[in-house]
Amino acid sequence: DAGITQSPRHKVTETGTPVTLRCHQTENHRYMYWYRQDPGHGLRLIHYSYGVKDTDKGEVSDGYSVSRSKTEDFLLTLESATSSQTSVYFCAISESRLALSYEQYFGPGTRLTVT
Amino acid sequence: AQKVTQAQTEISVVEKEDVTLDCVYETRDTTYYLFWYKQPPSGELVFLIRRNSFDEQNEISGRYSWNFQKSTSSFNFTITASQVVDSAVYFCALSESAGTYKYIFGTGTRLKVLA
Repeated sequence: DAGITQSPRHKVTETGTPVTLRCHQTENHRYMYWYRQDPGHGLRLIHYSYGVKDTDKGEVSDGYSVSRSKTEDFLLTLESATSSQTSVYFCAISESRLALSYEQYFGPGTRLTVT
Repeated sequence: AQKVTQAQTEISVVEKEDVTLDCVYETRDTTYYLFWYKQPPSGELVFLIRRNSFDEQNEISGRYSWNFQKSTSSFNFTITASQVVDSAVYFCALSESAGTYKYIFGTGTRLKVLA
């Protein structure tokens, strides 16, 4: 199994509070991703990183920010949590060599509830 | 724009039946990658297969097989002699040829295998 951990695994928070989710990898992979999973939508990309301090937006980035100060850590911040951000959040990592797209490996997920 | 369609929301079969999960994709890239993932009831996402657009060979792995047809933009997944442990949500995903290696996921197909 790929070495990916997410913390916390479960969190309940109130509307308007900031929340930070952490993804940690031990694989030294260059690419890291944050997704959210909601019923009827599959997985949707929030933000991704292609190196330390190199990040970009995905398709559902509004209300989220990310940071990557070290290869192994990718943080997702909900600046002011809303009920619409209640979801399961997955982190993923992948390698890239020779400009080929390789499979992504996923962390165990974080279930976030915003009340 | 890239798109992945999994039209089957939910499928129920009786154990030992064969079942095919459909995946239709849209892309303007001439080089792209397709993936299948399994999400069992425990919630983790498990990588099953990656297929490159320039390799149209079908693949078989035990009871699993994949049929990739560029002419119909489909990448279907067949489980032969299904088992209860195959019960899960299955996701198809499409990746760009190079650069960010972002995935576009389908909305998933929930497979229920009844004993």
